Amino acid sequence: EVQLVQSGAELKKPGESLKISCTGSGFMFTSYWIGWVRQMPGKGLEWLGIIYPGDSDTKYSPSFQGQVVISADKSISTAYLQWSSLKASDTAMYYCTRHEAPGDVDYWGPGTLVTVSS
Amino acid sequence: QTVVTQEPSLTVSPGGTVTLTCASSTGAVTSGYYPNWFQQKPGQAPRSLIYSTTKKHSWTPARFSGSLLGGQAALTLSGVQSDDEADYYCLLYYSGALIFGAGTKLTVL
Repeated sequence: EVQLVQSGAELKKPGESLKISCTGSGFMFTSYWIGWVRQMPGKGLEWLGIIYPGDSDTKYSPSFQGQVVISADKSISTAYLQWSSLKASDTAMYYCTRHEAPGDVDYWGPGTLVTVSS
Repeated sequence: QTVVTQEPSLTVSPGGTVTLTCASSTGAVTSGYYPNWFQQKPGQAPRSLIYSTTKKHSWTPARFSGSLLGGQAALTLSGVQSDDEADYYCLLYYSGALIFGAGTKLTVL
């Protein structure tokens, strides 16, 4: 059974750093792209970027390039999304996704809620 | 900046048929944009319904179908059920980048 398990909810202060994770199981992690999607409270879905854990090829949305870093550790079938300095506007639910090809999404993780507040 | 446009809201009667569309500000949507469609209900993660324009996942109900219609990607729901009330998002692929539409709120009334 394909599963994407995401790390738990986070409460952080502005300026703090954060790394959230997405661990895949039930499939060959290095043969699929893993993506990240943001959903701010009451808003729509926004694509942040994707990574191919097999060779770490990474593509970012121009809107998020330089704002976040996507990485992966294929030895533990885990992809990451990280921030070096959080802002209140980063408050959102973050979903990871599995892509058979960059343009084709099949599975979604349950989401990680990130709250940034002083 | 490329924009993907969907109807903000649609209403359909139970048992009816409704078509949601997805347009690109760059011009006609083709199969090369690999249109995907997702369903999201309140408090839940999105669920994938359609990929590569017309392909269904193993869990996609038969009443959902994807197509290209008049230069746009389209999602048609036939025999709509109350359980289909949700937000629906399309996603288009632009040579290495992906862009979501703003979503369509479908009401079954």
